[in-house]
Amino acid sequence: DAGVIQSPRHEVTEMGQEVTLRCKPISGHNSLFWYRQTMMRGLELLIYFNNNVPIDDSGMPEDRFSAKMPNASFSTLKIQPSEPRDSAVYFCASSLAGRGRYFGPGTRLTVT
Amino acid sequence: AQSVSQHNHHVILSEAASLELGCNYSYGGTVNLFWYVQYPGQHLQLLLKYFSGDPLVKGIKGFEAEFIKSKFSFNLRKPSVQWSDTAEYFCAVGGGSQGNLIFGKGTKLSVKP
Repeated sequence: DAGVIQSPRHEVTEMGQEVTLRCKPISGHNSLFWYRQTMMRGLELLIYFNNNVPIDDSGMPEDRFSAKMPNASFSTLKIQPSEPRDSAVYFCASSLAGRGRYFGPGTRLTVT
Repeated sequence: AQSVSQHNHHVILSEAASLELGCNYSYGGTVNLFWYVQYPGQHLQLLLKYFSGDPLVKGIKGFEAEFIKSKFSFNLRKPSVQWSDTAEYFCAVGGGSQGNLIFGKGTKLSVKP
């Protein structure tokens, strides 16, 4: 199994630009999670899906952030417009019936 | 309120020293408990987990953790650390089959060769 796949691994963009992060969960997993990790705030849950349905998006910082999961094998996290304070590592994770999270390698986002 | 507390922000040990990282939680109902490790520049990896049964859980790389219900604790231990254990360790707690995991702030472990 290839594990959770995220792309891109690194993204550098200018303030105001749209950023799209992508995630492919482990095949057969039915829950998908988007996390953001920064030095200041640690690991924060942004949103999670169960069976492709968003269950809890209370961690999404503001309307500039949106996430979709059109099918069981793909999810996107979009930031529009991006701001420097969005710079962080964004992790996608998947799980089956909540039994632990399997994390992807992360996307390091730098907004200048 | 549900929370996870890791009291040590940064632990520095010499190789072969014993390790214990504290984790206390506040959570109503049945809990599932996890320890994750994040090596420098890498993603989080599951180290060990507890759902039920024997409260002493053995994980990968010689790590173990003990669930003490009366103390709301799930401390991580390793009898003899190696330089390669240098990483950040996160305790997490969750409940139910589909719920969120609440992560602690993490404890950075530095092992001196």
